[in-house]
Amino acid sequence: RKEVEQDPGPFNVPEGATVAFNCTYSNSASQSFFWYRQDCRKEPKLLMSVYSSGNEDGRFTAQLNRASQYISLLIRDSKLSDSATYLCVVNVKAGTALIFGKGTTLSVSS
Amino acid sequence: NAGVTQTPKFRVLKTGQSMTLLCAQDMNHEYMYWYRQDPGMGLRLIHYSVGEGTTAKGEVPDGYNVSRLKKQNFLLGLESAAPSQTSVYFCASSDQIAGLETQYFGPGTRLLVL
Repeated sequence: RKEVEQDPGPFNVPEGATVAFNCTYSNSASQSFFWYRQDCRKEPKLLMSVYSSGNEDGRFTAQLNRASQYISLLIRDSKLSDSATYLCVVNVKAGTALIFGKGTTLSVSS
Repeated sequence: NAGVTQTPKFRVLKTGQSMTLLCAQDMNHEYMYWYRQDPGMGLRLIHYSVGEGTTAKGEVPDGYNVSRLKKQNFLLGLESAAPSQTSVYFCASSDQIAGLETQYFGPGTRLLVL
């Protein structure tokens, strides 16, 4: 089983739609969780960290379910500029390498 | 504050040639990383460093060597390039703070090995 698994998509949605991405991780000892965003031919950039209680940043909501080893990202009111690849990222121990999922591609159309 | 920079941005090599990719960060980060990204494979860790003078192997270290002689620089070397090393290489750095560890990435180096 892959350490971090994501549905690769692509997810094709119209502007204004709500879209959700899911991610599962295999190591129950994982401590930190993140969503990164990567635009085409660009470097990954941190979108948001994921906290145990769930957290929201504007139109973006991240959830963590430790029992199911499951992370989600919800994007509301999608914008054209949200088109990108979203990487689910897990860190087992601070100071060690992050483990990246292969990414989920989102395409928002007008 | 330039963040993380990488040189060169793009390079074409012939099989068997050698080259060094340079990564520099000006955020005084302890940790630095080299990844490669291939279509359908996601980001894979090559080598990483937890401090000046220390390096460690990642998931796909074969064919690469690294050095961290200065805290701000992390060099990735290819001694004898192979077509399988055609990829996009990203360097990243992060702080030492336990818990939340944001990695900051450089813009990438696109390498084509013929």
